[in-house]
Amino acid sequence: GQNIDQPTEMTATEGAIVQINCTYQTSGFNGLFWYQQHAGEAPTFLSYNVLDGLEEKGRFSSFLSRSKGYSYLLLKELQMKDSASYLCAVRSRSYNTDKLIFGTGTRLQVFP
Amino acid sequence: DTGVSQNPRHKITKRGQNVTFRCDPISEHNRLYWYRQTLGQGPEFLTYFQNEAQLEKSRLLSDRFSAERPKGSFSTLEIQRTEQGDSAMYLCASSFSETQYFGPGTRLLVL
Repeated sequence: GQNIDQPTEMTATEGAIVQINCTYQTSGFNGLFWYQQHAGEAPTFLSYNVLDGLEEKGRFSSFLSRSKGYSYLLLKELQMKDSASYLCAVRSRSYNTDKLIFGTGTRLQVFP
Repeated sequence: DTGVSQNPRHKITKRGQNVTFRCDPISEHNRLYWYRQTLGQGPEFLTYFQNEAQLEKSRLLSDRFSAERPKGSFSTLEIQRTEQGDSAMYLCASSFSETQYFGPGTRLLVL
């Protein structure tokens, strides 16, 4: 089966650090993605991890542990514009398929 | 703008009518995907094209749904005999390698 779990909602204060966790159990694994989605808009790509470890990109970092089926997205120096949903997605790929399996998303609200 | 584009952005229709959506991927991307997203949920995979070949269709894609990508460039998604449960955001994405880039979506409301 396919199961991706992430918290439904989180709140944080402007300037703070927040960590959004994601656990997954999927029949295939070809990488884990994080997307940001503002209300009514399309998901935009944030990060991609296929090997264990930390990937850093500006204020955003993403971590993956394949043995634990676990990832997190770390947002530093939070800004009001970071208020959005954050989607964790696992890529499943074979000779006749290539798709992303998404969690339900974590809605992050940043307060002044 | 060189991103993925989708038309129309919004569609309101009556139950039982047919609707068709169009997706224009990023020009060099050979892979194209359709997803559906309802409020408070993540996108759900519908179908995948590599060039003009439709390689996978989700079980979510009932007989009323059909997708094409005739020349390996733009794609259309048609829903026949729409039902209220079809109301959702329909997202198109394209890729050349591992990262999928999403279009702005078509929001469908079936009355």
